[in-house]
Amino acid sequence: AQSVTQLDSQVPVFEEAPVELRCNYSSSVSVYLFWYVQYPNQGLQLLLKYLSGSTLVKGINGFEAEFNKSQTSFHLRKPSVHISDTAEYFCAVSDYDGTASKLTFGTGTRLQVTL
Amino acid sequence: DTGVSQNPRHKITKRGQNVTFRCDPISEHNRLYWYRQTLGQGPEFLTYFQNEAQLEKSRLLSDRFSAERPKGSFSTLEIQRTEQGDSAMYLCASSFLADIPNTGELFFGEGSRLTVL
Repeated sequence: AQSVTQLDSQVPVFEEAPVELRCNYSSSVSVYLFWYVQYPNQGLQLLLKYLSGSTLVKGINGFEAEFNKSQTSFHLRKPSVHISDTAEYFCAVSDYDGTASKLTFGTGTRLQVTL
Repeated sequence: DTGVSQNPRHKITKRGQNVTFRCDPISEHNRLYWYRQTLGQGPEFLTYFQNEAQLEKSRLLSDRFSAERPKGSFSTLEIQRTEQGDSAMYLCASSFLADIPNTGELFFGEGSRLTVL
């Protein structure tokens, strides 16, 4: 069974500063990894995903993430955040065996961007 | 916009009452998922359908919960004899399973928030 650990429940950061949201996963099989963002009173929106190939993945809104198999991590980064990035961010893992049926989510990290 | 649609968005009910939520997935998607999200937690898988067949149910889905997708299009999630612990956001998501391995990317609706008094 897979599991996802998001080490920080809240991350406060000033606007235009860089940010890293940490995610570690455990799985007995190869995985697909995802970051979703949830703005207040909205559904989850896909930020980016790692399926295979390059371990550095670029997503929407200037976010990127790096897959590190040896450290079982998939940390999300942005070099300069904006007020509008304030939201809840969820890391998720999916099975790779072709019968993937669901995502397992972490508990989320609240990114709070202030002036 | 033809994204995933959920109704109602908000439902307040008294303990012991039955409630039903509806989800309309993206039209070409053959997989439909239900998740539950409580405050401060990530979404937790409840169940999923491939077309009209319910293929997996989580242990979180007690016998008071029932989900259907009768024609392989929209789905309903019914909770009978609601309890205060059922208060949560119920999220629906859909995806398309093709011949390639399922990448697991889900498209979520905005959710149905249930408050049980």
